[in-house]
Amino acid sequence: EAQVTQNPRYLITVTGKKLTVTCSQNMNHEYMSWYRQDPGLGLRQIYYSMNVEVTDKGDVPEGYKVSRKEKRNFPLILESPSPNQTSLYFCASSLFPGGTEAFFGQGTRLTVV
Amino acid sequence: GNSVTQMEGPVTLSEEAFLTINCTYTATGYPSLFWYVQYPGEGLQLLLKATKADDKGSNKGFEATYRKETTSFHLEKGSVQVSDSAVYFCALTISNFGNEKLTFGTGTRLTIIP
Repeated sequence: EAQVTQNPRYLITVTGKKLTVTCSQNMNHEYMSWYRQDPGLGLRQIYYSMNVEVTDKGDVPEGYKVSRKEKRNFPLILESPSPNQTSLYFCASSLFPGGTEAFFGQGTRLTVV
Repeated sequence: GNSVTQMEGPVTLSEEAFLTINCTYTATGYPSLFWYVQYPGEGLQLLLKATKADDKGSNKGFEATYRKETTSFHLEKGSVQVSDSAVYFCALTISNFGNEKLTFGTGTRLTIIP
């Protein structure tokens, strides 16, 4: 079954404690990205990756890092989380850019206290 | 920059009512347009799409037509069901040197009551 898997689904952490949200896809997609969803703002892109070792900033990259060492995995790293990063996070992948369907993970609800 | 504006929610309808959720966009170039749906506790799923002017996307009884002249992509369904209760997002993408960034509207929460 084609899917994007994120872990964990829920996470509560304290300010400043490094965390990683994992994302894996089984569709051999080249393009992957991370979004955060906040009330009244819709989804906003954090980072994206065109292929292995190719990553770039989206609209709201501050406070986040990513890596793409393998095609299937695209982890999101928060080195020093702050309360304003409390949000619902989604990983997405698609075969290639422009007009194609994006497949989304189930989301990770992060609370930073 | 690119942007998507969709009608404010929440929207509450009775079962079998007609649904319209308005969506307009601003974009440089020629965008592809999408409607995504988010059921409670789940990620977004593609509902339908249209990649050029006058195309009509359709799926599960939902339809939307890409109107270049009015820069719109309104979502419609003739008879809604309780199972259609979800959050609906209008979105666009323009290939920008390889970044297929989806630009989303703020979402419209739809509740259907029996």
